[in-house]
Order: sequence, then structure tokens, then C-alpha cells
Amino acid sequence: DAGVTQSPTHLIKTRGQHVTLRCSPISGHKSVSWYQQVLGQGPQFIFQYYEKEERGRGNFPDRFSARQFPNYSSELNVNALLLGDSALYLCASSPGQGRSGANVLTFGAGSRLTVL
Amino acid sequence: AQTVTQSQPEMSVQEAETVTLSCTYDTSESNYYLFWYKQPPSRQMILVIRQEAYKQQNATENRFSVNFQKAAKSFSLKISDSQLGDTAMYFCASYNNNDMRFGAGTRLTVKP
Repeated sequence: DAGVTQSPTHLIKTRGQHVTLRCSPISGHKSVSWYQQVLGQGPQFIFQYYEKEERGRGNFPDRFSARQFPNYSSELNVNALLLGDSALYLCASSPGQGRSGANVLTFGAGSRLTVL
Repeated sequence: AQTVTQSQPEMSVQEAETVTLSCTYDTSESNYYLFWYKQPPSRQMILVIRQEAYKQQNATENRFSVNFQKAAKSFSLKISDSQLGDTAMYFCASYNNNDMRFGAGTRLTVKP
């Protein structure tokens, strides 16, 4: 079975542009979470989606948005890019909510965004 | 809010030796979960071990074990018989209410 897949793997944007990152969860996983990992730091929680609804949001500005599709894949959108948005963006999927599955995260390899 | 602190930015260990990575956390919740993740240069975060806070028994996964001290809010990772492939960044994390918080990480180097 394929793991969590993310695209693109690398991309370069300029300040003020918009970016869309994509994530396909493990088959059967209904929850997707997004994390931002700045170089030299631990991942920071951005969003969690379950059954197409937002279930959690980290401390990020409204320039960051996301959605989950009926097939449980997800997109992360960032508008008006800033230099500080340069980071590795990680997607993680999990089976579902509650004690049994929400926290068993499987991560993708990430999308490396560079903002110039 | 949850916070996770890893006070050792870098550590090294000789192959086949044992090393312990430290982690402290702070949460006001009674029901939470703790994790250690490994991130090799390939960037992919890999789950090493998981501990449920309501379980007193320390989790063990082969060469990896934890020392969970709930009252002290401490969650250290012990790696026995260290192997070259254990070289990576190690992140401690806590989870509660759909929110996973990570520490800043410890860079572990296993020397031959």
C-alpha cells in the first residue's frame, strides 16, 4: 500500500504569490493534518481535517487555508507568501478520531517551499 | 496549551552503546498521548514509540523504550544497542484534542 503522498516535493515562489500543496492519505485513513517545519525546528501544527470538516487549527494567519475532499485527500493553500513561509510542509494521515486512531499519525515526505 | 521541551540540541553515542534523550512537557489535560518521532535526512517523520498517559507501564519497541514520569511530566527515550541507522533528528511530541505539539528536536549521531 502507498503511504502518505505529497506534491510537489520542492517548489520555489516569490513573495506575494499563492501556493497550493497536495496530500493523499493512506487508503482508509479519514483524517489529514498539516504541519509547518521551519529549518532547525520541530513541526508546528496548522490544521486537522476529518470527514471533510476542520477539527483543529493552529496559530497561523488567515493566509493559510485548507480543505479535504470526498476521497479524503487534502490541499493546503497559502496566500500572499512571505519570506517566513519558507519551510517544509508535512502532511500526516490517521485512521480517524478518538482514542483509537486520531493520534497515530503517518507522515508524508513533505513539500519543501522556498519563498524568494 | 501544550508545550514540549527538548533540552539537548545534539547528542552522540558510539555504535552498540545506549543513549537517553530527554523530554519534558506541560499540559493541563488528564488524557493525552506522548510520542517520539525520528526524522532522518530523507525528511520523513517516522513513529518510534507511543505512550498513553493513562497507562503507567512504560512503552517498549525492540531497542527503544521510554521512561514516563507523569508527575514530573518527563518522557525520555532510551535507545539500546545504538546502530548507525539511528542517526537522525528525534522529536518528542504530545497529543491532545486534535492538537499535536512537537519539541525542537535532538540531533543524534551514532558513531562507528
